[in-house]
Amino acid sequence: GQQVQQSPASLVLQEGENAELQCNFSTSLNSMQWFYQRPGGSLVSLFYNPSGTKHSGRLTSTTVIKERRSSLHISSSQTTDSGTYLCALYSNNRIFFGDGTQLVVKP
Amino acid sequence: DPKIIQKPKYLVAVTGSEKILICEQYLGHNAMYWYRQSAKKPLEFMFSYSYQKLMDNQTASSRFQPQSSKKNHLDLQITALKPDDSATYFCASSPQGGSQNTLYFGAGTRLSVL
Repeated sequence: GQQVQQSPASLVLQEGENAELQCNFSTSLNSMQWFYQRPGGSLVSLFYNPSGTKHSGRLTSTTVIKERRSSLHISSSQTTDSGTYLCALYSNNRIFFGDGTQLVVKP
Repeated sequence: DPKIIQKPKYLVAVTGSEKILICEQYLGHNAMYWYRQSAKKPLEFMFSYSYQKLMDNQTASSRFQPQSSKKNHLDLQITALKPDDSATYFCASSPQGGSQNTLYFGAGTRLSVL
């Protein structure tokens, strides 16, 4: 089965709206990481977040290890936020990726 | 200024041929990885190397062979190419192997097998 479940699969927002992306893990995690994948392919690390809450500009990541979940909050979305958001689970020396959330922010 | 260099960016090959995908990292990391991303599939782990030694291998086919000539190099040789091998191949690195290290990705090599 798949170790990482991301939701929603896709999301369409109007510019200025907020977004909440979820990542749930079926196995215990040592850590996790959020990535942004640009249309065209390259991955950019947003947060390496083993536990707790981290902030970076308009982005906030919260990981709750005992509940096996992590969330990514995007506030005041912009058209340049459009792309795919991936979460990765670090578990027992292996790294598993979710299917991603495809975000479209309309002007 | 990319710190993980993958070459070429795009590659077209014919079925049955052999290709080598190049990856070099200039982050001073000791662990390197290969991932594959096919259409409509999540990123799929292929190999992990630490200090030039194979640590983990999830690919089912021996047609995929990583090659590490230097600590900061991890190339991927693919033989007897098939159309199903068409995908984007990402190289990644982390300071050390294991679960406590941030992963950094290259820009990928997009392979099309005709």
